[in-house]
Parts: sequence; structure tokens; C-alpha cells
Amino acid sequence: DAGVIQSPRHEVTEMGQEVTLRCKPISGHDYLFWYRQTMMRGLELLIYFNNNVPIDDSGMPEDRFSAKMPNASFSTLKIQPSEPRDSAVYFCASSLKTRRFFGPGTRLTVL
Amino acid sequence: RKEVEQDPGPFNVPEGATVAFNCTYSNSASQSFFWYRQDCRKEPKLLMSVYSSGNEDGRFTAQLNRASQYISLLIRDSKLSDSATYLCVGGLGGNEKLTFGTGTRLTIIP
Repeated sequence: DAGVIQSPRHEVTEMGQEVTLRCKPISGHDYLFWYRQTMMRGLELLIYFNNNVPIDDSGMPEDRFSAKMPNASFSTLKIQPSEPRDSAVYFCASSLKTRRFFGPGTRLTVL
Repeated sequence: RKEVEQDPGPFNVPEGATVAFNCTYSNSASQSFFWYRQDCRKEPKLLMSVYSSGNEDGRFTAQLNRASQYISLLIRDSKLSDSATYLCVGGLGGNEKLTFGTGTRLTIIP
């Protein structure tokens, strides 16, 4: 099993640009989660899906953030426009029961 | 008050020593508890679940104290490879949102 796959692994962009992060969950997992991790705030849940349906997006910081899951094997998190305070590591995780399997993360730097 | 709180450390412990850290949770209805381990610049990985009766996995012991609303992690005979950040996790049960603590950084010193 390849595990959760995320791309890109690193992204450096300029303020105002659109950023799209991608995630492929583990096959057969019915939950998908997007997290953001910073030194100050730790690991924060942004949004999660169950069977491709968004269940709770209360953690999404503002309207600049959006997430989609068009099918069971793919999800995107988009930031438009990006700001320097969005700089963080973004993790995607999937699960079948309570155990979360995390992807390697995307390290985002917004200049 | 944060849902899950941990001492961020760092804990600097000599190799072979025993180290313990606690994590408190605020929601008394929480049912599911875990410890995750995160190595530097890596993703979090499940270390162990925490059961009401406590559980042990080799050198690691996790316990739950519902009366005082905390969970603990004990590491015996610490190894250099135990150096990592340990994340405390709590939730209401099922597969809904789990809340992660900010982590306790542990460094084992040779």
C-alpha cells in the first residue's frame, strides 16, 4: 500500500497567488481530513469528508480556503489568494476507523 | 481552555532513563484517546491507543485517568530513537473530529 500521497511536497509562492494542494487517500478509506500545522497553533483540522461529502468545514480559516473531493481517490485544498500567514505544513490524512494515516505533508511558504 | 493540552517541553532525558508526560483534556465526554509520534519534518504516526484499563506496548505504557481528565505516556529504558514530538489526541468516539495537542518534544541524550 502506497499510503496517503500528497503533492507537491514543497511549494513556494508569492502573496496573492493561487495555491492548490493535492491528496490521494489510501484506497478503501472513507474519511479524508485536511490539517494545517504551525509551531504556534500545532495541528489544526481544517475540513473533513466522509464518502466524498464535506462534513465539517468549521476549521477553514476564511473564504480564501476551499476544498473539494470529486471522487474517492482525490481531494484538493485551494488557497486563493494566498497570504504570508498561510505558510505552514498542510497534511492530508485518511482513515477507515479512528486511526488517521497521514500523508507526508506539503510545506507551503508564501512570500 | 484548549480541548487538549500538553507541556511543550522540551524534555531532555539521558539514554536509559524513564520519562513520563501527561496530557489533559477538557471535554469529559471524550471517549477516544491516542498518542501519536511525529519525527522532525515528518508526518504524525500512531504510537498507541489509550484504553480505560491502560495498555502497554513494549517499553511504552499509556494510561487514562477519567476522574482527573488526563492521559499519560511512560517510556522506560529510553533509546536515542525515541527522540521525537509526542502528540496527545482526544475525541468523542467514532470517526468524527479528533483534537490533537500541540505536542511534547522529547530529546534523548547519549
